[in-house]
Amino acid sequence: DGGITQSPKYLFRKEGQNVTLSCEQNLNHDAMYWYRQDPGQGLRLIYYSQIVNDFQKGDIAEGYSVSREKKESFPLTVTSAQKNPTAFYLCASRHRGYGYTFGSGTRLTVV
Amino acid sequence: DQQVKQNSPSLSVQEGRISILNCDYTNSMFDYFLWYKKYPAEGPTFLISISSIKDKNEDGRFTVFLNKSAKHLSLHIVPSQPGDSAVYFCAAPINRDDKIIFGKGTRLHILP
Repeated sequence: DGGITQSPKYLFRKEGQNVTLSCEQNLNHDAMYWYRQDPGQGLRLIYYSQIVNDFQKGDIAEGYSVSREKKESFPLTVTSAQKNPTAFYLCASRHRGYGYTFGSGTRLTVV
Repeated sequence: DQQVKQNSPSLSVQEGRISILNCDYTNSMFDYFLWYKKYPAEGPTFLISISSIKDKNEDGRFTVFLNKSAKHLSLHIVPSQPGDSAVYFCAAPINRDDKIIFGKGTRLHILP
């Protein structure tokens, strides 16, 4: 079955640590996206990539970094510079001209 | 500046009645709109879409209406069922190949 896999489902980070959230897709989609969901804030775009080895900042990129070395993979690193990292993170991919397919999300909590 | 607005954070509807979720947009260049449904701790799933060349699209219990002159669209669910309790996001792509802008969502509660 084709789809998007995010791992882990739950992640705990100590203050000052960097953590990396995994996102893998086997849909052969060119474009991939990272969103963050907070209560009352909807979905806010962090980074997106429309092609391998290229990515753009979204609306709230500060404190995050990404890479796109392979078409299938778009990992997100939450750095210690992100002041409020506790949130639900969603990865999505998109086929040209259509809507998104989302992963099941990663809940990140700072402890 | 919010380009896609869902002004009702929550809505409660009796089971079996009609649920109407509203969405307004400001960018007249949007030509395609989508609705996503999201359960807690899960990713959103695509529900229904509408192209700007239409004013209505229907899929089973779900119908989306588009009023381009008012820059307004609405999602109708009839009859509402308990499994419809979720957060619904209205969304629009900047263009066919670019990022999608989401509203803040409306939490729908279906009451028994």
